Order: sequence, then C-alpha cells, then structure tokens
Amino acid sequence: GQQLNQSPQSMFIQEGEDVSMNCTSSSIFNTWLWYKQEPGEGPVLLIALYKAGELTSNGRLTAQFGITRKDSFLNISASIPSDVGIYFCAGYTNTGNQFYFGTGTSLTVIP
Amino acid sequence: DAGITQSPRHKVTETGTPVTLRCHQTENHRYMYWYRQDPGHGLRLIHYSYGVKDTDKGEVSDGYSVSRSKTEDFLLTLESATSSQTSVYFCATSLGTNNEQFFGPGTRLTVL
Repeated sequence: GQQLNQSPQSMFIQEGEDVSMNCTSSSIFNTWLWYKQEPGEGPVLLIALYKAGELTSNGRLTAQFGITRKDSFLNISASIPSDVGIYFCAGYTNTGNQFYFGTGTSLTVIP
Repeated sequence: DAGITQSPRHKVTETGTPVTLRCHQTENHRYMYWYRQDPGHGLRLIHYSYGVKDTDKGEVSDGYSVSRSKTEDFLLTLESATSSQTSVYFCATSLGTNNEQFFGPGTRLTVL
C-alpha cells in the first residue's frame, strides 16, 4: 500500500508552545485529513483538505495541503494540556481508491 | 460525530473460534469501513462497503469477511481467529469515497 511518513513520531512540549507536524509521501493525494486520537477512543476528525495549497483552520489548529500534493502540515498554536494525544494524517488517492494513514505523532504537553 | 457504535467493545477469544464484530451507524452514510490498528502501523483497511450488499476488499482482507444487509449495519467476521488478528478494530463511515471518514470507538480483540 501507499506509505505516509509522519514526523516527528513524538513531541514533548511546554504548555503555551506552538507545535508543527507533517505528513509526506512519494505519491500524489487528492484529499488530506487530520485526526486526533486519545487512549481507548476512536480517531476524531480535526480538519479536511481538498485542494492543493489550501489552508484551513479549526480554532488553534491550522492545516495545509501541500502545493506538490505529496504532503500536508498541521500546526497547533499555544498548546494546552488537553491537546495531548496522537495526531494522524490520512491521504486519499484515486489510484488506491482509499485513504492511507500515517503512523501518528504522539504529543505530550507539559504544564 | 456520525453516531457510530461498535459492539462488543472488548472481546477475548481463543484461536480457531469464529468472531463477529458489529458496527451500527445512524447517519445514513453510504460508505462503511473496517480498519485494524496495530503498533507501528497506520490504520489499515480490511474491507469496505459502498452500499447494501456491496463490499470490496482492502489491503489486509485475508482471514476476514464482511456483510452489509442494511444501510446502518456492517459486520466483520473472523471465521477462525488467529493470534495475528489480535488488534483494535475500528469502523468508519463516510458520505463518499474521498469524503471525511468518521470513526467509531473501536473494539479491542484479543485472540489467545
């Protein structure tokens, strides 16, 4: 299947700091989704991106659909303790006709 | 939130026994999916359905079968469970094939 490389794998940050993470692939994607997952729960959709270059915000979260269509970025501003969790990207390709998921970035926020 | 429930939420079973997991949605989404989640891997697609009685295989379909007799229900069956099928299973739904997917709470399955 398609490979999505998500980085960093984990982050430990102080409360109030900004966070950046990204997802890259050698393949072109038509849709990017970003999810957050907390222990024992299912992934929760944060942001959906459908167009190259698109920049979309959801509160303190901002995500971008890379111009090459091979990557996407998620930024969290002014982190708070409830931001703790694992953040996943997912990319849709017409070739595979399905979404492929990254392995996640684990975020720890230190109060 | 697409109103997705999964049952059971936890199950322990023995190798060789059949297991059926159920996904139920209340949003009338056309597409439904079964994924498994394992450490070191992203969510991987097992099977999906694009309508009642219409299903297709995903990338890790061996050892699994599915059925969809009603829009709201999608069943995943392990005919003869193996230890390699110990995992957390998630159901998801969407309006269209490249639209946002909404996930259920998951089922943790342990095969001894």
